[in-house]
Amino acid sequence: DAMVIQNPRYQVTQFGKPVTLSCSQTLNHNVMYWYQQKSSQAPKLLFHYYDKDFNNEADTPDNFQSRRPNTSFCFLDIRSPGLGDAAMYLCATSKPPGQGSDTQYFGPGTRLTVL
Amino acid sequence: GQNIDQPTEMTATEGAIVQINCTYQTSGFNGLFWYQQHAGEAPTFLSYNVLDGLEEKGRFSSFLSRSKGYSYLLLKELQMKDSASYLCASMDSNYQLIWGAGTKLIIKP
Repeated sequence: DAMVIQNPRYQVTQFGKPVTLSCSQTLNHNVMYWYQQKSSQAPKLLFHYYDKDFNNEADTPDNFQSRRPNTSFCFLDIRSPGLGDAAMYLCATSKPPGQGSDTQYFGPGTRLTVL
Repeated sequence: GQNIDQPTEMTATEGAIVQINCTYQTSGFNGLFWYQQHAGEAPTFLSYNVLDGLEEKGRFSSFLSRSKGYSYLLLKELQMKDSASYLCASMDSNYQLIWGAGTKLIIKP
């Protein structure tokens, strides 16, 4: 089945210790998104890639970086996690927007704990 | 500014019908999405409306009125597994999703 996969599902890190979350997809979608979601809040878009074009949201902290080495994979790097970065991180993919199917499909998420 | 409003929490009885409302204000409009999210899991796509009217998909239906900036999700024959948060999201002119905080639906036997 075509899907969006995130690893690991649960990640524990220490304050200030860099961490990388990964996302892969078999849907062959052009667009990949990273969201941060805290408990009982709306998902917050951090950035997205349209193919190799990187689009950063204006209020995404510099502490968050992303890489997309190929169509299938996308990584979220948190350079110096703080306690406030503890959240669920969601990866989503979609076809190019405005071409008839704008639905975003989500991976299972990675829950990040910062000690 | 851009804004999505939906109730924080609703309670309904197993077997009953519940309607979850959503109002939106976005810069431009390219459709209204509903997602279901169980606790600790990722959102899963339920429905998409871009034209006015009702879209029916099994026990779930979604309605849109663009002139009123209003949508609802209707869940029929409620089952215990429908206990979840339901997220409303509007796609703006830049094809970005503007998300509501979700409505937590509690189903009682």
